[in-house]
Amino acid sequence: GDSVTQMEGPVTLSEEAFLTINCTYTATGYPSLFWYVQYPGEGLQLLLKATKADDKGSNKGFEATYRKETTSFHLEKGSVQVSDSAVYFCALSDPSGGYQKVTFGTGTKLQVIP
Amino acid sequence: KAGVTQTPRYLIKTRGQQVTLSCSPISGHRSVSWYQQTPGQGLQFLFEYFSETQRNKGNFPGRFSGRQFSNSRSEMNVSTLELGDSALYLCASSLVAAGELFFGEGSRLTVL
Repeated sequence: GDSVTQMEGPVTLSEEAFLTINCTYTATGYPSLFWYVQYPGEGLQLLLKATKADDKGSNKGFEATYRKETTSFHLEKGSVQVSDSAVYFCALSDPSGGYQKVTFGTGTKLQVIP
Repeated sequence: KAGVTQTPRYLIKTRGQQVTLSCSPISGHRSVSWYQQTPGQGLQFLFEYFSETQRNKGNFPGRFSGRQFSNSRSEMNVSTLELGDSALYLCASSLVAAGELFFGEGSRLTVL
């Protein structure tokens, strides 16, 4: 079945540091890939997405590129801020079944210190 | 546009009781999914409803059930509660299959 593997956290960075959170996936079809973010006490919200190979999703300074050859979708940001402290989830959705089922990674907690 | 609304936000139950959680999706969204989030297991898919039909179900015991009404609002029910059912239950709606999920803030259930 489908699965998503992302790096263990927590990740602690100083403000303005470069961020990379690794994510790899296994899927039988041609999935769409997502990064969701969860701030403390809130539900998840979509950060960015990519629907086909070589697509780059970007939002709020975060970027991720859909790499089919390496089955990866790593999240990057050039300069993190304290306000980026949250839990980040990599996810995939395979549309071939015609229904909605998103498979999430375990989440990576990011803490940014001033 | 109103977001996904979940009620209640917090609740405390004792073992053996049952609980019903409610979710109102974004207007126009016909797909509603439910997830259980725990520190140990992360986000686990419970089930998905579309136009009052359960289209997909995760690997949870039969104590977990759900339904969707004609106005797309959804409820999930957990019967005979166990301590391990303590979790944040998240509801999400989407416009199309494999599309973006819009999450509510969740219902935090504590079982004593």
